[in-house]
Amino acid sequence: DAGVIQSPRHEVTEMGQEVTLRCKPISGHDYLFWYRQTMMRGLELLIYFNNNVPIDDSGMPEDRFSAKMPNASFSTLKIQPSEPRDSAVYFCASSGAIPGLSRAYSYNEQFFGPGTRLTVL
Amino acid sequence: GQSLEQPSEVTAVEGAIVQINCTYQTSGFYGLSWYQQHDGGAPTFLSYNGLDGLEETGRFSSFLSRSDSYGYLLLQELQMKDSASYFCAVRDLDSSYKLIFGSGTRLLVRP
Repeated sequence: DAGVIQSPRHEVTEMGQEVTLRCKPISGHDYLFWYRQTMMRGLELLIYFNNNVPIDDSGMPEDRFSAKMPNASFSTLKIQPSEPRDSAVYFCASSGAIPGLSRAYSYNEQFFGPGTRLTVL
Repeated sequence: GQSLEQPSEVTAVEGAIVQINCTYQTSGFYGLSWYQQHDGGAPTFLSYNGLDGLEETGRFSSFLSRSDSYGYLLLQELQMKDSASYFCAVRDLDSSYKLIFGSGTRLLVRP
């Protein structure tokens, strides 16, 4: 498996523009997570999905942020309109049962994508 | 709520042993995990302690004491490539598939 795939790897945009980040989780994983990482706030969970259904979006900063997962192999995080304070690295991660390991153990390992570095000018 | 505390930075010499501590306040959790992140990279899973005690994986070991609300990551025979940030994380009992991450410890290995 190629691992978690994210695109684009880098995005530079101007304030007010719409930004869409994309993620393809590892095949067979049933949980997908979106994180944001900044120096000031560290690694923050924004939202996570189970079997394509959003479970907890309490970390989404405000209504400008939205996330969807239309199928098991694709998710998007959209920011509209973008603001300079949204500049960060956005990670997508997935997790799922690992053959041969207990469920309790499996879901402690999240597999992160390479991230999208977003700069809003 | 959950909170985890780690030292912000640790410096050690190549070949030495270093311990990165993690103390936590949580109403309940499944266990303690550790992740490594190199500059410009993504977090990668290192280890998980579901039970109290020591787990060893090569040069890295991780320890958990639930009674002391404390855990640590031990890195032996330090190499330059171990310079990275290290995060402890817990799985929230209320939302069992969500990980809560500490703020991270930046390890600098000097020659």
